[in-house]
Amino acid sequence: EAQVTQNPRYLITVTGKKLTVTCSQNMNHEYMSWYRQDPGLGLRQIYYSMNVEVTDKGDVPEGYKVSRKEKRNFPLILESPSPNQTSLYFCATRRVNTDTQYFGPGTRLTVL
Amino acid sequence: DQQVKQNSPSLSVQEGRISILNCDYTNSMFDYFLWYKKYPAEGPTFLISISSIKDKNEDGRFTVFLNKSAKHLSLHIVPSQPGDSAVYFCAASRIVIQGAQKLVFGQGTRLTINP
Repeated sequence: EAQVTQNPRYLITVTGKKLTVTCSQNMNHEYMSWYRQDPGLGLRQIYYSMNVEVTDKGDVPEGYKVSRKEKRNFPLILESPSPNQTSLYFCATRRVNTDTQYFGPGTRLTVL
Repeated sequence: DQQVKQNSPSLSVQEGRISILNCDYTNSMFDYFLWYKKYPAEGPTFLISISSIKDKNEDGRFTVFLNKSAKHLSLHIVPSQPGDSAVYFCAASRIVIQGAQKLVFGQGTRLTINP
């Protein structure tokens, strides 16, 4: 079954405590990206990756890092989380040169 | 700068009637448009799309219309069913570099179908 998985699904943490949200896909898609969803703002892209070792900033990259060491995994790293990073995060994948993205189930992050 | 706008945060429709969700965009470089549907506690799922060279695309109960001169697209659902109750996101795509397409989403419209 084609899947995009994210872990954890829910996380409550405190300001400044480093955290990683993992994303994994089994569809062999080259393109992966991270979005955050906030009320009234829709989905905004944080970072994306065209393939292994190729990453670039999206629209709201400040405070986030990513890495793409393997094709199937694209973790999102918050080195020093702040309350304004409280949000619902989605990982998405697609095959290069196609438009349809497949989304993970989401990670709800609360930073106190 | 919101390049893709869904001006109606919510919409309520009677079961069996037509639901019309609207979306406006500002960037004429967008060449592909998509609608995603999102249920609570799930990620968005692809619903239907349309290329900028077309003005209509139909898939079962779902039809997307594109008016390029007005920079406007709409999603029609006929007939509406209770299972259609969800948040609908409009998205627009453009090529930024070879093989890389940037997807920009609207704010979403919450559709509620009343029995």
